[in-house]
Amino acid sequence: DQQVKQNSPSLSVQEGRISILNCDYTNSMFDYFLWYKKYPAEGPTFLISISSIKDKNEDGRFTVFLNKSAKHLSLHIVPSQPGDSAVYFCAASASNYQLIWGAGTKLIIKP
Amino acid sequence: GAVVSQHPSWVICKSGTSVKIECRSLDFQATTMFWYRQFPKQSLMLMATSNEGSKATYEQGVEKDKFLINHASLTLSTLTVTSAHPEDSSFYICSAPGQGGSGYTFGSGTRLTVV
Repeated sequence: DQQVKQNSPSLSVQEGRISILNCDYTNSMFDYFLWYKKYPAEGPTFLISISSIKDKNEDGRFTVFLNKSAKHLSLHIVPSQPGDSAVYFCAASASNYQLIWGAGTKLIIKP
Repeated sequence: GAVVSQHPSWVICKSGTSVKIECRSLDFQATTMFWYRQFPKQSLMLMATSNEGSKATYEQGVEKDKFLINHASLTLSTLTVTSAHPEDSSFYICSAPGQGGSGYTFGSGTRLTVV
């Protein structure tokens, strides 16, 4: 049973436009959500997180939105840059430090 | 900031041999270390949780006799893949909770190829 789902395996976006990556979860006990960026053969790089008491968190070009009623979160990257091309993972935690990961979405930024 | 140093970054070994992967926490003490593996184009899967001073906790389906985890000190956790087979070829990553901007610090990963 996948508790964290990223239904889009890949996404292609024009440079300069907005990239929107989506993530759905099923466990209502999750209270902390994170987005990571990952290149092949490297460890994940933390991008941004949000706790369940918030519905939005912004850091530079990255904004995460959380809709608790829909059990949905999204990562917005604007403007998208070529260096943003990577696999993006959504992860969730239920206060026990164990992260449950989505399957990832490969983001391709076209010049 | 907090850093987890993971070595080796890549290793090729023959079937039947054992491989040890080390994760060291630099400038902080890691009482817990999570070990993940990632197959190509798939998500990170938690294999086990190591705790300093006690036995590791393995996730369902992970063979504890095959993937030996030792948390020798507050700064060192190791994963030993014993009698490796080609199907063990994967990308292994460790992570220490409670540090870093996200509350988790990841090692740089180890690419294991068993031939």
